[in-house]
Amino acid sequence: DGGITQSPKYLFRKEGQNVTLSCEQNLNHDAMYWYRQDPGQGLRLIYYSQIVNDFQKGDIAEGYSVSREKKESFPLTVTSAQKNPTAFYLCASISRGGNPISEQFFGPGTRLTVL
Amino acid sequence: RKEVEQDPGPFNVPEGATVAFNCTYSNSASQSFFWYRQDCRKEPKLLMSVYSSGNEDGRFTAQLNRASQYISLLIRDSKLSDSATYLCVVRLNQGGKLIFGQGTELSVKP
Repeated sequence: DGGITQSPKYLFRKEGQNVTLSCEQNLNHDAMYWYRQDPGQGLRLIYYSQIVNDFQKGDIAEGYSVSREKKESFPLTVTSAQKNPTAFYLCASISRGGNPISEQFFGPGTRLTVL
Repeated sequence: RKEVEQDPGPFNVPEGATVAFNCTYSNSASQSFFWYRQDCRKEPKLLMSVYSSGNEDGRFTAQLNRASQYISLLIRDSKLSDSATYLCVVRLNQGGKLIFGQGTELSVKP
């Protein structure tokens, strides 16, 4: 089955540690996105990548980093510079075929808690 | 002002009720419009795209007014299983970025 996988589902981190969240898709989608969701709020865009080896900052990129070395993978690193990292992190992908109503598919998410 | 604003919730309705959600957007470069559904502690899933002419999918009707920059979702004959948070989503021309509203929670009671 095609889809997006994120791991781990739950992650606990001590303050001051960097942590990397995995996102893999086998949908052959060109574009991939990382969002953050806080309780009672909508999703906010952290980073996105429309093609391999290229990515752009979203609205809240500070304290995060990404890489896009392979089409199917878009890992997100939450660095110690992110002041409030506890949140629900969602990865998404979409075909870049130009269809404006293409659906953006989401992975199941990773809940990060900083202790 | 938020780029996408939705009715503050929660909405608590009895089974069988009709409920309407409203959403406004501020960016005139908005190209496409969607309603997503998000169950508790799960990822969002596409409920329906919204077309200028309005569109219906079973008990769900979505409408778009580009002049007023307004989107709506109507749910008829509410079911218990409709309980979720409904996210209004706008896709921009540039880069295909999606902008999410904060969501409106719906709770359907027996």
